[in-house]
Amino acid sequence: SQQGEEDPQALSIQEGENATMNCSYKTSINNLQWYRQNSGRGLVHLILIRSNEREKHSGRLRVTLDTSKKSSSLLITASRAADTASYFCATVMDTGRRALTFGSGTRLQVQP
Amino acid sequence: EPEVTQTPSHQVTQMGQEVILRCVPISNHLYFYWYRQILGQKVEFLVSFYNNEISEKSEIFDDQFSVERPDGSNFTLKIRSTKLEDSAMYFCASTPGQRGEAFFGQGTRLTVV
Repeated sequence: SQQGEEDPQALSIQEGENATMNCSYKTSINNLQWYRQNSGRGLVHLILIRSNEREKHSGRLRVTLDTSKKSSSLLITASRAADTASYFCATVMDTGRRALTFGSGTRLQVQP
Repeated sequence: EPEVTQTPSHQVTQMGQEVILRCVPISNHLYFYWYRQILGQKVEFLVSFYNNEISEKSEIFDDQFSVERPDGSNFTLKIRSTKLEDSAMYFCASTPGQRGEAFFGQGTRLTVV
């Protein structure tokens, strides 16, 4: 079974629109994190939401977490061309492995 | 702003050769990690290092791999005898504590020919 699967795999929107990406996972988690990766480059941490939190905001980013459904969503509001990147969710388990387990990512293309 | 640095950015090596990938984690961080990303695939955990020893490793991290923190700043990943399937982007990361936000380097693209 896969931990941290995002959908959609690819998303293309116009500048100014909102982008929503979803992530599902299978095990009990301590926290869930979202990362951004520009093509061929390193991962940049965006936001961390703990298992006892339901929603978190950071600038134009809004993350929700539903532990009963084992799912999370990342909303980017008023998207910009510079938001074009791949977005990954990554989970940290509550017990056992402390390292990140990444999903397969959503490729976001924001058309100017 | 402190950052994780990795060298080299790109390395090409012949199959069977040894490679050492280098990383300088953020200085006050305690946990260090190596991840890899095969082209077009998800990022996979390899190994974590804490208090000068391996704290966790994945099934990918077999006897061909080793990690070292030879001094107070560098953190290295060695692949003893590279295979074609080792071609990937290798990322180093560090965290100040357990289960927190990870800071990633820009990666080393390893190409085995």
